[in-house]
Amino acid sequence: AQSVSQHNHHVILSEAASLELGCNYSYGGTVNLFWYVQYPGQHLQLLLKYFSGDPLVKGIKGFEAEFIKSKFSFNLRKPSVQWSDTAEYFCAVGSNDYKLSFGAGTTVTVRA
Amino acid sequence: GAVVSQHPSRVICKSGTSVKIECRSLDFQATTMFWYRQFPKKSLMLMATSNEGSKATYEQGVEKDKFLINHASLTLSTLTVTSAHPEDSSFYICSADRETFGSGTRLTVV
Repeated sequence: AQSVSQHNHHVILSEAASLELGCNYSYGGTVNLFWYVQYPGQHLQLLLKYFSGDPLVKGIKGFEAEFIKSKFSFNLRKPSVQWSDTAEYFCAVGSNDYKLSFGAGTTVTVRA
Repeated sequence: GAVVSQHPSRVICKSGTSVKIECRSLDFQATTMFWYRQFPKKSLMLMATSNEGSKATYEQGVEKDKFLINHASLTLSTLTVTSAHPEDSSFYICSADRETFGSGTRLTVV
């Protein structure tokens, strides 16, 4: 069975600060990894995904994530956050049958 | 892009009543729909997978008789919470695939 662990429950930072959210997973099969964002009152949106190839994945809104196989990690980063990045962020691992296992989520609050 | 429309967005019901949540795929056909439940401060948990024209498959620990799932057409999947109790209060989200999610339904059972 797959599982996902997100280390930070709530992160508070100022605009222009750099952001890194940790995500570790355990899964015995081929790894499909995802980061999603949920803005207040909105539905889940895909930020980026990794299936294979270049372990450094670039997504929307200036986010990127790095897949480190040896560490079973897929951390999300953004060099300079904006107030509009305030949201809930979820890491997820997907299996071949399209099911997703989500981490507990990290609330990011960006102060202007 | 693909859009899944989920209704209602919020519903309050009395204990013992049933509530139906609908997810419609707009401009595309969804042969499969995934239903997730999100507890406060918790992650999303997959409840079941609905398949058009066949029975849904439920995850371990999910009561089939309480959470009735129907996928009668390629554009509509429904989740009915039967005989709802306060512990069923939660946020329910449908997903047609790993990139297309409904906006969610906040269910409060009083």
